Amino acid sequence: AQKITQTQPGMFVQEKEAVTLDCTYDTSDQSYGLFWYKQPSSGEMIFLIYQGSYDEQNATEGRYSLNFQKARKSANLVISASQLGDSAMYFCAMREGQGTGFQKLVFGTGTRLLVSP
Amino acid sequence: DSGVTQTPKHLITATGQRVTLRCSPRSGDLSVYWYQQSLDQGLQFLIHYYNGEERAKGNILERFSAQQFPDLHSELNLSSLELGDSALYFCASSVGVTGTYNEQFFGPGTRLTVL
Repeated sequence: AQKITQTQPGMFVQEKEAVTLDCTYDTSDQSYGLFWYKQPSSGEMIFLIYQGSYDEQNATEGRYSLNFQKARKSANLVISASQLGDSAMYFCAMREGQGTGFQKLVFGTGTRLLVSP
Repeated sequence: DSGVTQTPKHLITATGQRVTLRCSPRSGDLSVYWYQQSLDQGLQFLIHYYNGEERAKGNILERFSAQQFPDLHSELNLSSLELGDSALYFCASSVGVTGTYNEQFFGPGTRLTVL
């Protein structure tokens, strides 16, 4: 079974600084997908960024980038120029069941990010 | 706004009762997934439906059941409710079931409180 590990329960960063949220994964699949979601205090899950296991380039979406190191099985989220609105819970997730006719996301325990002025 | 709708937003009920949570996927999405987020278990996959057919079950209790209707909306039925069932229940949808990139779009969730 696949597993996602997020070792940082909480992170603090000052506004306008960059921050890296760690994520390591464990899978025996050759083809898989990695996702990052943001959950603000209001509760909704907001998709941020996706990295496919065969993608050669690191994914980027605006201020978000994914530092994908396949050999180390890590998929860290980098947020550049943090904003107060970035304060939220961040979840790393892996898609399980690629090409098998079913899919589910396996989530890590999350990292709570607090951005201070 | 992800395009996935869930009703109701909040639900407060008593132990032993039965409730139904409803989800409408994004237009064109055939897959619907249900997840439970609780303080002690985190975010856990419950069940996946594709075009009306159950495709995978996760940590879903026998007291829970789901279905996806011909119009593709889905309902999650929770019965004989216990205090521990209090959680945020998410529905997510995606276009298909295979392929290299099937992003799951999450609804706003239904917060269930069992008293």
